[in-house]
Amino acid sequence: DAMVIQNPRYQVTQFGKPVTLSCSQTLNHNVMYWYQQKSSQAPKLLFHYYDKDFNNEADTPDNFQSRRPNTSFCFLDIRSPGLGDAAMYLCATSKQTGNTDEQYFGPGTRLTVT
Amino acid sequence: GQNIDQPTEMTATEGAIVQINCTYQTSGFNGLFWYQQHAGEAPTFLSYNVLDGLEEKGRFSSFLSRSKGYSYLLLKELQMKDSASYLCAAMDSNYQLIWGAGTKLIIKP
Repeated sequence: DAMVIQNPRYQVTQFGKPVTLSCSQTLNHNVMYWYQQKSSQAPKLLFHYYDKDFNNEADTPDNFQSRRPNTSFCFLDIRSPGLGDAAMYLCATSKQTGNTDEQYFGPGTRLTVT
Repeated sequence: GQNIDQPTEMTATEGAIVQINCTYQTSGFNGLFWYQQHAGEAPTFLSYNVLDGLEEKGRFSSFLSRSKGYSYLLLKELQMKDSASYLCAAMDSNYQLIWGAGTKLIIKP
């Protein structure tokens, strides 16, 4: 089945220790998104790629970076995680941007910062 | 500013009907999405409305009033597995989704 895959499902890192979360998709969608979601809060869009075109949200901290080496893979790098970065990180895809396509989500990676 | 309002939590009984309301304010409007999110899992798409009226899909229906900036999700014949958070998201003129914080629905036997 075509899907969005995130690894790992659970990640523990130490305060200040860089961490990378990964996402892959077999849907061949052009757009990939990274969201941060804290408990009982709305998903917060961090950035998205339309193909290789990177779009950063204005309020996304510099501590968060992303890479998309090819259509299938996208990575979220947190350079110096703080306690406030503990959250669920959701990767999503959609066919195109600039239209009303639904977004397909991966299962998420729950990040704990110790 | 852009904003989505939905109740934080609702409780309903198995077999009953529940309506989850959502109001939105966005810069332009390109439709309203409802997603279901079970605890600790990813959101899954339920419905999309861009025209006024009711869209029915099995036990779930979604309604939109563009003039009122209002939508609701109607769940019929509630089952225990419907216990989840229901996220309302409006798409603005830039095709960006503005998400609500979700309504946690608790189903009691």
